[in-house]
Amino acid sequence: NAGVTQTPKFQVLKTGQSMTLQCAQDMNHEYMSWYRQDPGMGLRLIHYSVGAGITDQGEVPNGYNVSRSTTEDFPLRLLSAAPSQTSVYFCASSRGTGFGQPQHFGDGTRLSIL
Amino acid sequence: KNQVEQSPQSLIILEGKNCTLQCNYTVSPFSNLRWYKQDTGRGPVSLTIMTFSENTKSNGRYTATLDADTKQSSLHITASQLSDSASYICVGRDQFYFGTGTSLTVIP
Repeated sequence: NAGVTQTPKFQVLKTGQSMTLQCAQDMNHEYMSWYRQDPGMGLRLIHYSVGAGITDQGEVPNGYNVSRSTTEDFPLRLLSAAPSQTSVYFCASSRGTGFGQPQHFGDGTRLSIL
Repeated sequence: KNQVEQSPQSLIILEGKNCTLQCNYTVSPFSNLRWYKQDTGRGPVSLTIMTFSENTKSNGRYTATLDADTKQSSLHITASQLSDSASYICVGRDQFYFGTGTSLTVIP
């Protein structure tokens, strides 16, 4: 039972480069989300999805794109990496709309932008 | 402004001792408040959820309380173990309002 799998675990990019952070879950969860975690701050919601084909913005969506073509996958795209996007990124999933349900987190992608 | 504040920021205790972590929330409307444990280098894992009608809930050595009048929640850890060393995060309304966490270190 893999749960939520994030790849890669570590990545270093140069300013201006683009990349995709992968997230896959095998629990058939409808709800998936992306967060970033920075020192001294709580997790901040970037984007979320309540089902295939449906996505919405969270608190800090600028500079990121998402899509949800299948229930299992929810990739996060950095369009043009900036040093301010250096962070640890977590993907999570939960049943239903997410309300009242525990979120299952991946182990994160540690991203450094030079 | 909806927010969740936790205290203390960090805490060091001896193995076997008890401790209490605090969470103050101003999330409105209130739906639920959840506690997560995050081990170093891992994603958060849910410990327990408190709904409006609940005052106390236990999960093994973890006991969460909720005072809806003062908008405070606490997480009490009994007979601490080295494996309790982690960050404990309080979250209001599920996925939206995360506290900054309390970093707990249990030393032998």
